Amino acid sequence: DVQMTQFPSTLSASIGDRVTITCRASQGVNNLLAWYQQKPGKAPKLLIHKASILEIGVPSRFSGSGSGTEFTLTISSLQPDDFATYYCQQYDSYGYTFGQGTKLEIK
Amino acid sequence: QVQLQESGPGLVRPSETLSLTCSISGGSINSPYYWSWIRQPPGKALEWIGFIHYTGTTIYSPSLTGRVTMSIDTSTNQISLKLNSVTTADTAVYYCARDPFWSGIHDGFDIWGQGTMVTVSS
Repeated sequence: DVQMTQFPSTLSASIGDRVTITCRASQGVNNLLAWYQQKPGKAPKLLIHKASILEIGVPSRFSGSGSGTEFTLTISSLQPDDFATYYCQQYDSYGYTFGQGTKLEIK
Repeated sequence: QVQLQESGPGLVRPSETLSLTCSISGGSINSPYYWSWIRQPPGKALEWIGFIHYTGTTIYSPSLTGRVTMSIDTSTNQISLKLNSVTTADTAVYYCARDPFWSGIHDGFDIWGQGTMVTVSS
């Protein structure tokens, strides 16, 4: 399996901050990397696919970048609705694997 | 719009078989989609279980191969998951999700069911 290492595991930030979450793969994933947002008691929501393509309807303050084995999710200006847990996932190799998650908390 | 709904028993005894169904409404179960099962133990990360295509093609997580079986019924637009010999480690919220497959490339899980909690306990 491709191991996905996500960091930090917890991030404290304030409204309006710019934040970055990093995901590192144990081998190249050909940019087949997705980011999800999950709120308590809810299913994950797809934010970004193919490392940098914003899903329709997702606010433009979210962006994804990276290539090879290192990828980042950036939120340019945190809004109250953004406090949640974020997961990366590779879908280049069967079985698909997720990162351990980053919980974004209000400072 | 397309909606997914998981259903099945919320409590399963250890060593027995967990059986869940995902009903797909508002869209086709056929190409260009694969259909995945994903689970999440309480307070933990997401874990992919496997996927199935309308042709019956399946791929399972290496960690669960041997215990998991998926099936599809295109006449009722449903997919099913069976996980045998369950233990308390299989306690989790189980989700079904759509996995688009465009031009030979998968593209992340774009639609999810709300999830169903399954507890393994005697």
